[in-house]
Amino acid sequence: EVQLVESGGGLVQSGGSLRLSCAASGFTLSGHWMHWVRQAPGKGLVWVSRINDDGTSTSHADFVKGRFTISRDNARNTVYLQMNSLRAEDTAVYYCVSLTVAVDYSAFDIWGPGTMVTVSS
Amino acid sequence: DIQMTQSPSSLSASVGDRVTITCRASQSVSSHLNWYQQKPGKAPKLLIHGASNLQSGVPSRFSGSGSGTDFTLTISNLQLEDFATYYCQQSHSTPPDTFGQGTKVEIK
Repeated sequence: EVQLVESGGGLVQSGGSLRLSCAASGFTLSGHWMHWVRQAPGKGLVWVSRINDDGTSTSHADFVKGRFTISRDNARNTVYLQMNSLRAEDTAVYYCVSLTVAVDYSAFDIWGPGTMVTVSS
Repeated sequence: DIQMTQSPSSLSASVGDRVTITCRASQSVSSHLNWYQQKPGKAPKLLIHGASNLQSGVPSRFSGSGSGTDFTLTISNLQLEDFATYYCQQSHSTPPDTFGQGTKVEIK
């Protein structure tokens, strides 16, 4: 079965750090651009970060730039999100998502179940 | 950044109804528009990609249309399992990959 599973979430104090991991099974991550999308309690989906297939290019949303870093280890079939200087507004479920790119579309087709990050102030 | 605006934010409908959700982009996204369904406590699920193409395994009562800035998601013959929140997302000009604010479909 093709799946992504996140881990590493939890409760952390404001200013603290967490590292999220996303492990793939049933498929190889190396051919996919990978993203993190978050959802604050009761709110909508917000894109956070992305990394290209070989890890040489990354992008982050402005609200996490300089604080979060996305990385990957294709040998371990795993993607990471290092989150530093956490703030209360970073409290959310964080989803790891695989991007499928075809000739005429690209879409987030594989989602992990999410991991909850709670930042206490 | 391209902004995505969905309407309505929520709606009430009955089983068997036809439901239409609209999504408007702040500038043209061509046909690079995707729709997702999310049930409480679950991850989103891709329904439609490229504005009108049904993802494999998605029931044919779901359909999408539009191009440029205006898009619609239609659910014909609404079923119990369709009560959920629906999001549009543009993949035309990224990053960032922007989502609409969501439309919650509730039981009347």
